[in-house]
Parts: sequence; C-alpha cells; structure tokens
Amino acid sequence: AQSVTQPDARVTVSEGASLQLRCKYSSSVTPYLFWYVQYPRQGLQLLLKYYSGDPVVQGVNGFEAEFSKSNSSFHLRKASVHWSDSAVYFCAVSMKGGRALIFGTGTTVSVSP
Amino acid sequence: AQTIHQWPVAEIKAVGSPLSLGCTIKGKSSPNLYWYWQATGGTLQQLFYSITVGQVESVVQLNLSASRPKDDQFILSTEKLLLSHSGFYLCAWSLWGGNQDTQYFGPGTRLLVL
Repeated sequence: AQSVTQPDARVTVSEGASLQLRCKYSSSVTPYLFWYVQYPRQGLQLLLKYYSGDPVVQGVNGFEAEFSKSNSSFHLRKASVHWSDSAVYFCAVSMKGGRALIFGTGTTVSVSP
Repeated sequence: AQTIHQWPVAEIKAVGSPLSLGCTIKGKSSPNLYWYWQATGGTLQQLFYSITVGQVESVVQLNLSASRPKDDQFILSTEKLLLSHSGFYLCAWSLWGGNQDTQYFGPGTRLLVL
C-alpha cells in the first residue's frame, strides 16, 4: 500500500528566505507525485507534478520539486518566499491508472515579514 | 477552459437532517469525478469516484452516498447527518490515461453539523 509522510507539520520562514518542504513516500513502484497548495478556506491548487524523466520539475509561482528514487522523496523548494505563500502544502501520490490520490498530512507554512 | 463548481459554498445543518452537495464540471467530456473529505485542520480522504454516468465506487464508508446523474454532475448525499460529517468536502476531476491522471479540485463546500 502507498503512503506519504510529511514530517514537518509547521514551518515558519521570513519573507525572502528560501523554503524546503519534505515529502517521503512508500510504494512498491515509482508512483506519480504531486504537490498541492491550499490557501485559507479554499480548495486545492496544483503546484507541480512528476510522472517520469527529469527529476527536477518546475511548477507555478517559482516552486520546484526534486524526485529522488533512492530516497523515496519528492521535496518542494522555493528560492525566495513571499507573504502570499503562506498556506498549507500537501504532497500526494497516485499509481498510474489508479483512482486513488493519497495525501500526506500537510505542512503549514507561515511567512513572516 | 474547464471550470468546476461546487454548491452550496457552506452549510450549517442539524444532526439527523438530510444533506445534498453538488459538483459540476464544465468544459471536459467524460471526466473521472471524485469526492474528498477534509476534517478541519486535517488531510484529505477520498470518499468516492466515478468514471462514467451512473457508476460510482465507494472508497471509504462514512454513511454517505454518491451519484452521477449526468456526465458533468456528481452528487454527495446522506439521509441522516452525523456530527462526524462536519468538515470540508472537495470535488475533483481528472481525465483518463497517462499524464492526464492529474486531479484538479473545486473550491469546496464547508459543512458544519450541530
């Protein structure tokens, strides 16, 4: 069975600083990997996704993520955060052709001025 | 461009009362449709999915049911609400095959059961 672990429940960063959010997955085969963001009282927006190929994928708003098969990880990064990046970030996995999207518990990011 | 609309935006309901939440997708033909539930401050749990009209698969039993009466519509309902039904309900869609497996989410419906 697949599972996703986001070890950091909360992260606080200063505006302009870099951000890294960790995500580790457990799966017998390489799954599809996603990062979603949820702004307060809103639905989820897709930041980026990885299916195959180049392990570094670019997303919206300056976010990127790096897939590591050896570490079973898919960490999210941003070089310089803005106050508007304050949100909850979810890592998720699914299998090719599968219907289930398995979410991690989310990381709440607070950007301080 | 595709749009996903959920209604109502928010509901306050009494325990034991019925519930019906709706989701409509415009701009995509024959999408896969999903219902998710998110407890306050929690993660998302898939409840149901549907790959075609009239066909719904249950993933988690929470005393809820779902139906797909039209290609672009997905309904979540129950005849008797429980306190534990409170939370945020999200509808999502995807297409079928390859890198079209990505799920896109609607704005959600917030439900408070008292």
